[in-house]
Amino acid sequence: QKEVEQNSGPLSVPEGAIASLNCTYSDRGSQSFFWYRQYSGKSPELIMFIYSNGDKEDGRFTAQLNKASQYVSLLIRDSQPSDSATYLCAVNSQGGNKLVFGAGTILRVKS
Amino acid sequence: AAGVIQSPRHLIKEKRETATLKCYPIPRHDTVYWYQQGPGQDPQFLISFYEKMQSDKGSIPDRFSAQQFSDYHSELNMSSLELGDSALYFCASSLRGGDYGYTFGSGTRLTVV
Repeated sequence: QKEVEQNSGPLSVPEGAIASLNCTYSDRGSQSFFWYRQYSGKSPELIMFIYSNGDKEDGRFTAQLNKASQYVSLLIRDSQPSDSATYLCAVNSQGGNKLVFGAGTILRVKS
Repeated sequence: AAGVIQSPRHLIKEKRETATLKCYPIPRHDTVYWYQQGPGQDPQFLISFYEKMQSDKGSIPDRFSAQQFSDYHSELNMSSLELGDSALYFCASSLRGGDYGYTFGSGTRLTVV
C-alpha cells in the first residue's frame, strides 16, 4: 500500500462546476498536508497547505483535513479549463525530511 | 521573487555516461530535496540535505550521489547511466521542516540513449 493514495482519474467536470479531489494517507504521525498542481512536463506548483482539522479556504480552493480518518481533500469551485492538470496530494513525513506524493489525480474541465 | 534554479534544462547522455545536475535553492532556504519523476508517475524522493548534511535518503541508486555546498547549492551526480534513468529530475527547497511546503525548480529532463 502506498503511503499516499489518490484516485488517478481522470475526473471530468464541466466548466463552472465544483471539482472534488480526495486523498488518504497511512502515516498517522503526519503533520502537514499539501496540494500541488502539475501541468504536463512542468514542475509541481503549490496550491494549498493545511495542518489542522477542518477547512481552509483560499480563493476558489478549499482544503479539508480529517486526521481521524486520515483523509484530505481539495475542492475547486467555479472550475475553469485552465484548472485542467494533475493534482498531487503530498504529506510531510514525521521529522519533516521529505514530502511523499500520491500518484496524482488528472482533472479535466470541459468548456 | 527568486525561485529554485536548475541546470541544465535538458540533457541527453549515452548509456554508461555520467551526468551532473545542479540546483540553486531559494535564498535563505536551508534544505534541498531531489526528486525523480518518470512519465506518468508521481515524483519519487531521492535524497535531501539540510545545512550541507544529508538529512534523508529515498530510492536513490548507488550509482547516484549528491551533495550540498557551502553556498547551499546542490549537485546530483549520476554515473553509469541506464536507459531507465531517463526522467524529469526536480530539485526543491524549503526552510527546515518544510512546514510551508517545498518550492520546486523547473526540472532537468534527462534522456539516456
